[in-house]
Amino acid sequence: KAGVTQTPRYLIKTRGQQVTLSCSPISGHRSVSWYQQTPGQGLQFLFEYFSETQRNKGNFPGRFSGRQFSNSRSEMNVSTLELGDSALYLCASAASGRSNEKLFFGSGTQLSVL
Amino acid sequence: KNEVEQSPQNLTAQEGEFITINCSYSVGISALHWLQQHPGGGIVSLFMLSSGKKKHGRLIATINIQEKHSSLHITASHPRDSAVYICAVRTGNQFYFGTGTSLTVIP
Repeated sequence: KAGVTQTPRYLIKTRGQQVTLSCSPISGHRSVSWYQQTPGQGLQFLFEYFSETQRNKGNFPGRFSGRQFSNSRSEMNVSTLELGDSALYLCASAASGRSNEKLFFGSGTQLSVL
Repeated sequence: KNEVEQSPQNLTAQEGEFITINCSYSVGISALHWLQQHPGGGIVSLFMLSSGKKKHGRLIATINIQEKHSSLHITASHPRDSAVYICAVRTGNQFYFGTGTSLTVIP
C-alpha cells in the first residue's frame, strides 16, 4: 500500500505570490490533516478534512485555506505569501478521522518564501 | 502558554542506555501521540494512547490521564534511535504539539 504522498517536495516562491500544495492520502483513508513546522514555532495544526468537509481549523489567518476532493486527495493554498510562511508543510491521513486514531504522515513540502 | 511541555529538550545517551522522555499537558485530551522525526523531515507515528501503556519492540509509552502526563521509554538504545521525538495531544477539535526532544545515541 502506498504511503501518504505530498507534492511538490520543494518549492520556492516570492512574497505576495500564492502557492498550492497537494496531499494524496493512503488508499481508503478519508481524513487528511495539515500542519506547519518551523524552527521557531515547531509543529502547528492548520486544518483537518473529512469527506470533503473541513472539520477543524487551527489558529491561522484566512490566507491559509484548503479543500478535499471526493477521492480524499487534499490541497492547501496559501495566498499573499509572507516571509514567515517559509516552513515545512506536512499532511497526515487517517482511516476515518476518529480522534483516537493513528496518523500517517507524508514527507512534507519545504516552502521557501523569498 | 504551552499546552504541551516536553522534557528534556536535548538528550545524549550511550548506546545501550535506558532513555525516558516526558510529556505533560494542560488540556483535556481524547488522545496523545508520540511521533518520531528523523533529519529530512519525515514523521512517523510511534504510538497513539488514550489510556494505559503500549509496547512496540524496544519502545514503551505510558500515559496517566489523571496526572496529565505521558512518558516514552527506549530500552537498549541504539544509534538508529537518534531523532527528534515529539509529543502531540488531540482535544476535541485541535492538535497541540510539544517542542520535541532531540535524542542522540552515541555508539
